[in-house]
Amino acid sequence: EDQVTQSPEALRLQEGESSSLNCSYTVSGLRGLFWYRQDPGKGPEFLFTLYSAGEEKEKERLKATLTKKESFLHITAPKPEDSATYLCAVQDQAGTALIFGKGTTLSVSS
Amino acid sequence: GAVVSQHPSRVICKSGTSVKIECRSLDFQATTMFWYRQFPKQSLMLMATSNEGSKATYEQGVEKDKFLINHASLTLSTLTVTSAHPEDSSFYICSAWPGGHGIQYFGAGTRLSVL
Repeated sequence: EDQVTQSPEALRLQEGESSSLNCSYTVSGLRGLFWYRQDPGKGPEFLFTLYSAGEEKEKERLKATLTKKESFLHITAPKPEDSATYLCAVQDQAGTALIFGKGTTLSVSS
Repeated sequence: GAVVSQHPSRVICKSGTSVKIECRSLDFQATTMFWYRQFPKQSLMLMATSNEGSKATYEQGVEKDKFLINHASLTLSTLTVTSAHPEDSSFYICSAWPGGHGIQYFGAGTRLSVL
């Protein structure tokens, strides 16, 4: 059964304090791994998609990496506006629906 | 990024009434649209998958007669919550997928409150 586990559940950082969020997955053939950001009361906003181990993508203060078993979302020098819930999801080769983890809620204080 | 429009953003209704939620992909044709439900502080739970012109596929435990899904075109899907009850109160989110290695984009969500 395909499964996605995110850790930690919650993360509190000071502004400028870099850290990483983890997403471990098991899937029967990976079509893609996706990172989304979700603000309270809003739908998920697409951040990155990774397709193969070793792939990396960057956007502003965020960098996503992928291995055969997990993905990391690195946040460099975060700002308060980076506070949100970050969701990881996988899509397998056979299916079309995304399987989501429970998310990591990030709070960045100034 | 691509835009998926979902409305209404919030609806309050009396128990027993039906509520329709629309989901439109504005700048691409969606091979498949998905409907999710999200409870407070929890992740998204897939309710159903719909392909244009065919019947929706519902996840185990989701009542297809209560949650009616219509996918009339490649850019529009609707979810109708029939005879809504307080336990149906939740945050409903749609997404649209162009197929292949395309990205699944999400609507802004609909907060349903049934009194």
